[in-house]
Amino acid sequence: QVQLVESGGGVVQPGRSLRLSCAASEFTFNSYGMHWVRQAPGKGLEWVALISFDGSNIYYADSVKGRFTISRDNSKNTLYLQMDSLRAEDTAVYYCAKDQRPRYSSGWYLDYWGQGSLVTVSS
Amino acid sequence: DIVMTQSPDSLAVSLGERATINCKSSQSVLYRSNNKNYLAWYQQKPGQPPMLLISWASTRESGVPDRFSGSGSGTDFTLTISSLQAEDVAVYSCQQYYGTPVTFGQGTKLEIK
Repeated sequence: QVQLVESGGGVVQPGRSLRLSCAASEFTFNSYGMHWVRQAPGKGLEWVALISFDGSNIYYADSVKGRFTISRDNSKNTLYLQMDSLRAEDTAVYYCAKDQRPRYSSGWYLDYWGQGSLVTVSS
Repeated sequence: DIVMTQSPDSLAVSLGERATINCKSSQSVLYRSNNKNYLAWYQQKPGQPPMLLISWASTRESGVPDRFSGSGSGTDFTLTISSLQAEDVAVYSCQQYYGTPVTFGQGTKLEIK
C-alpha cells in the first residue's frame, strides 16, 4: 500500500524558514510527479507546488513563488518543501500527494495523500 | 489559471436523501481529442487527508460506493450522493487537471440535517 509520511512541521516565527519532508514508499517514486497541497484552518485545499517525476519541471502557486522551493531526492524516495520568509497566512496543514499518471510532467489527479504536517507561523 | 467554483459552500441533507454538489470551471476542462473531462472529486472526512473519489468527471475509484456519482461536461459538473449515509459527512472538493497548475474548488461541507 502506498505510503506518504510528512515531517518537519511546527511553530515558526514570521520571516523564518522551515523544511518539510515527505517519505514515500510502496511505489516507484522516481516515476511520479509529486505535489504539495495545503489547507489553512477551516479553509479549502490550495495547491502549492509540483515537481515532475525527474525533477525537470517545477511549478509554484503565485502565493509562494520566490519563497518556497520544492525538490526531490529519488535515491531516498523523499520529497521536500523548503519554506522561507514565512508569513502568518502560510499557516496550514501541508499535504504531500502523488500524481496518478506516471512519467508526466504537468500535474494530474492525485491518488494518494499523506496525513499532513501542521505549520504554524506565529510570533 | 483555471478557477474552480463550488456551490453551495455548505449543505445539510437528511439521512437517506439525495445530496448534490456543483462545481464550475472558468474554462472548459473537456479535451476534445479524447472527449474526456479532466475533473476529479475528493472527499475529506474530519481529521483526515483528502481521498480520491472520482476521476474523469464520472469514473468512481475502486471501493467507492455506487451511491456516489459524478456527471457533467465542459465547465459544469455535479457530484451526487443518491442516499446520504452518516459516514458521508465530509468536505467535498473538485479539482481540474486540464491545465497547469492543477486547481481546486473551495470545498463544500456536507452535514446531516
